[in-house]
This record gives sequence, C-alpha cells and structure tokens, in this order.
Amino acid sequence: EVQLVESGGGLVQPGGSLRLSCAASGLTFNKNWMYWVRQAPGKGLEWVANIKYDGTEKNYVGSVKGRFTISRDNAKNSLYLQMNSLRAEDTAVYYCASGDSMDYWGQGTLVTVSS
Amino acid sequence: QSVLTQPPSVSGAPGQRVTISCSGSSSNIGTYHVYWYQHLPGTAPKLLIYRNNQRPSGVPDRFSGSKSGTSASLAVSGLRSADEADYYCAGWDDSLTGWVFGGGTKLTVL
Repeated sequence: EVQLVESGGGLVQPGGSLRLSCAASGLTFNKNWMYWVRQAPGKGLEWVANIKYDGTEKNYVGSVKGRFTISRDNAKNSLYLQMNSLRAEDTAVYYCASGDSMDYWGQGTLVTVSS
Repeated sequence: QSVLTQPPSVSGAPGQRVTISCSGSSSNIGTYHVYWYQHLPGTAPKLLIYRNNQRPSGVPDRFSGSKSGTSASLAVSGLRSADEADYYCAGWDDSLTGWVFGGGTKLTVL
C-alpha cells in the first residue's frame, strides 16, 4: 500500500521560511515523479511544483518561482519543499502526490502565514 | 481564474447520471491527457480518471471520462450519496510549463 505522509507545516510570519517533508513508502520512490499541490482556504487545488524521479527536472507555478525549492532524497524516500519569503497568500493545506498521473496523495499539512 | 474551466456545481438525484465539463485550450487539453480527481475537503484527493478515459483499479465503472478537442468531461452514473464531493480536472499546460487544475465542481446528490 502506498503511503505519503507530509510534515513540517505550521504558523509562520510573513517573510519567514518553512520546510515541508513528505515520507513515502509502498512505492519504488526513485522511479516516480513527485508533486506538491496546495489548497488555500475556500479555494480549489493548485499545483505548486514537481520533480522528476532523478531530480534532473523541476517545474514551479509562477507565483512561487524564486521563493520555493522542490527537492528529493531517493536514499531516504523523501520529498521536500523549501518555502522562503512566505506570503499570506501561501496559506494552504499542502499535499504531496506521486506517480505520472498524481496517482497517490498524502493527507496534507497546513501552512498558515500570518503575523 | 483557472486555466481549465469547470461549472461550480452540478446536482442529480440518486441513480441518475450527471456530467462535469472541463474546457481548456490547445496548450493543455488540446494536446495533452486529462486527469480527474475526487476530493472531500480534509482528506487526500483521489485519482478517478487518467489519460482521458482510463480508470485506476478500484474505481467503479460508474465513473467515465472522455475528451474531444479542447474539452473533456467526467460522467458519473448511478449516483450515490457517497459521490458527493468536489471534482477537479487537470493536465499539463505547455504555455505555463506546468500542471493546471480546473476550479473544481461540487457534486450534490439530492
């Protein structure tokens, strides 16, 4: 059974930083694209970033380019999202997902950016 | 405003069939596959349809997807109360060099 467990969310002030983690199990991690997708309060799903199975290709939504960095550690079956210069509009539940079709998703971790 | 356009809501009685539309452009749906996800807020989203019309194992055949030109649709037949959820279409967009989601459609079973 595939399991994706996000952690690292919390309350942070505007301009601050946070690092999210996603621990994966039950899949061949180093053969899967990985994604971060978020849902702001009362809004729909928004793709944030994705990373190729070997880390050689990364893509970001325009609103986070230059502020967020996606990375992975295949030896630890883990995905990360380093979030810097956080803004109020980054407040959301952040989900990690895996597979060519975003086949599997975690339960999400809440990030709140507020003073 | 989302790149992929979905109706905000649809509804139907138990046992009926409803469809959810997803309208895009040549840079996304017109060129690439469409995916559909079911989401109950507070839970993990679930993949319902991949590559336009393929169902992952475990997804009932009451759910079906189709694509024509720059539009796609999800059909849900034999409606059940458990189908009440938000449904999202998604896919790759060449112009944005990233994935895009529709705004989501809330399905209500009357």
